[in-house]
Amino acid sequence: AQRVTQPEKLLSVFKGAPVELKCNYSYSGSPELFWYVQYSRQRLQLLLRHISRESIKGFTADLNKGETSFHLKKPFAQEEDSAMYYCALSGPGTGFQKLVFGTGTRLLVSP
Amino acid sequence: EPEVTQTPSHQVTQMGQEVILRCVPISNHLYFYWYRQILGQKVEFLVSFYNNEISEKSEIFDDQFSVERPDGSNFTLKIRSTKLEDSAMYFCASRLRGNTGELFFGEGSRLTVL
Repeated sequence: AQRVTQPEKLLSVFKGAPVELKCNYSYSGSPELFWYVQYSRQRLQLLLRHISRESIKGFTADLNKGETSFHLKKPFAQEEDSAMYYCALSGPGTGFQKLVFGTGTRLLVSP
Repeated sequence: EPEVTQTPSHQVTQMGQEVILRCVPISNHLYFYWYRQILGQKVEFLVSFYNNEISEKSEIFDDQFSVERPDGSNFTLKIRSTKLEDSAMYFCASRLRGNTGELFFGEGSRLTVL
């Protein structure tokens, strides 16, 4: 079964501190992994995807197939990073490329 | 920038009533989805739609649910006889291609069943 696990419901850090939002997945095959973000009162939007290997808004995520993880990292958190972050996977086994989401982690960056 | 739009933003209904949630996907997109999120829970897949037919549906998407693309632009989710447990945020999403490409979400429609 395909599953995405985000163990932390809430991550609270101070501005300038490093951030790591954890994501582990279960999937038999080669999934495509994503991070979606939802700012307050806004829609879900793609933050980054593992195949693009980009850094968006200072965030990076590396797919570790050995540990089946796709943790989201940022070296210096900003207040505007406060949001809900969802890890998601997609792949042929998920059926017609739907996204399977984790439960989300709320990141709260305090001044 | 093109967006997926959803209406209504919030609907309150009585148990047993029919509800239609509407979505206008991005115009050149070909694949359409409905997801829902019960308060405090994760975003769950309901149904995908391509070429005017359902391509996949989840266990949640039972006979009380249906989807339509009646006029080539709107994509609707109908719940025939709402139950209390249907209370959730319903998200519409679309993408250009099915096997790759970003999934674009609407802002969601909050359904409250009393």
